[in-house]
Amino acid sequence: GQSLEQPSEVTAVEGAIVQINCTYQTSGFYGLSWYQQHDGGAPTFLSYNALDGLEETGRFSSFLSRSDSYGYLLLQELQMKDSASYFCAVSGGYQKVTFGTGTKLQVIP
Amino acid sequence: EPEVTQTPSHQVTQMGQEVILRCVPISNHLYFYWYRQILGQKVEFLVSFYNNEISEKSEIFDDQFSVERPDGSNFTLKIRSTKLEDSAMYFCASRDTSKETQYFGPGTRLLVL
Repeated sequence: GQSLEQPSEVTAVEGAIVQINCTYQTSGFYGLSWYQQHDGGAPTFLSYNALDGLEETGRFSSFLSRSDSYGYLLLQELQMKDSASYFCAVSGGYQKVTFGTGTKLQVIP
Repeated sequence: EPEVTQTPSHQVTQMGQEVILRCVPISNHLYFYWYRQILGQKVEFLVSFYNNEISEKSEIFDDQFSVERPDGSNFTLKIRSTKLEDSAMYFCASRDTSKETQYFGPGTRLLVL
């Protein structure tokens, strides 16, 4: 089976840095993605890691350690608009994607 | 910028009825997906579709569900004999062959009464 664990909620101050962790147990693994979802909206792709290491895209970075079955999303210079839910997702089969339980990030002034 | 579109945005149906949810993926994309999200819960994979056939499906995607690409632009999800627990937001997504980025449509909110 597939399971992905994330913290349910995180609160951080505007301008700060926050890290959202994801640990996974899957029967197959091709890569780890991160998605952002605002209330009432659709998921929006943020990043994808297939290999170990850090991927940086502007204020967002994502890290993967395949040996530890672990990854994280790092958000820098937090803005109020970053308040949303963040999901990690594993591509575990040929075209199968399993989403984590999601982390609700609240950015406070 | 190209985007995935879905119709209808909202659908209310009676238990036992059939519904068809429609999606228009981004035109040069070849991989298509359906997901559902029950209110307040995580996004759940239903099915992926490539080269006019299902490539993967989840345990949720049983005989009640079917997908079709009836023409060169539309991608549909049919739910036969809907149940109360089918009430959810249904998202369509597509991607091209070179990247892992999936582009999600705005979703169809289905309510089964």
